[in-house]
Amino acid sequence: AQSVTQLGSHVSVSEGALVLLRCNYSSSVPPYLFWYVQYPNQGLQLLLKYTTGATLVKGINGFEAEFKKSETSFHLTKPSAHMSDAAEYFCAVNQIKAAGNKLTFGGGTRVLVKP
Amino acid sequence: DGGITQSPKYLFRKEGQNVTLSCEQNLNHDAMYWYRQDPGQGLRLIYYSQIVNDFQKGDIAEGYSVSREKKESFPLTVTSAQKNPTAFYLCASSTRGLAVLMGEQFFGPGTRLTVL
Repeated sequence: AQSVTQLGSHVSVSEGALVLLRCNYSSSVPPYLFWYVQYPNQGLQLLLKYTTGATLVKGINGFEAEFKKSETSFHLTKPSAHMSDAAEYFCAVNQIKAAGNKLTFGGGTRVLVKP
Repeated sequence: DGGITQSPKYLFRKEGQNVTLSCEQNLNHDAMYWYRQDPGQGLRLIYYSQIVNDFQKGDIAEGYSVSREKKESFPLTVTSAQKNPTAFYLCASSTRGLAVLMGEQFFGPGTRLTVL
């Protein structure tokens, strides 16, 4: 079974500082990995995804993530936090089964941005 | 404007009552999903459907039921058998086939259900 672990349920950063959200996964097959963002009382929006090819993936709003197979990690970063980055972030791995395709989500990391 | 709509946004029900949450999409997606979100637990899959008139249980299907009579609609019923139904419910959809393995799921805005 696949699983996703996000280290830290809450992260607080100052505006302009680096944002680093950690995600580790377990998978018996090469994974497809995703980061989603959720603003309060809203649905999830895709930030970026890794499927194949380049291991450094760029997404929307200045975020990027690097797939490291040896570390089974897919950490999300943004060089300079903005107040609008305050949200909850979810890492997910694709769960490939004969009956269909499902996503397994991590527990989420809530980001607080201090002025 | 293509997307997923969920209604209502907030729903209150008395304990012991069944309640149905609506999910409609006009993205022409074959696959649809229902997730439950609780604080600190991420999203957990309740049911999913790959095609019309077919659906599969997810990880926490007990106390829930679904139907898929139309491609664009995937309603979720929270029955009185669900022990702790108060949660935020999210509906999603995606394309099918190999593309879906590399693709994404598109999410609706969610319904917050509170059982009193």
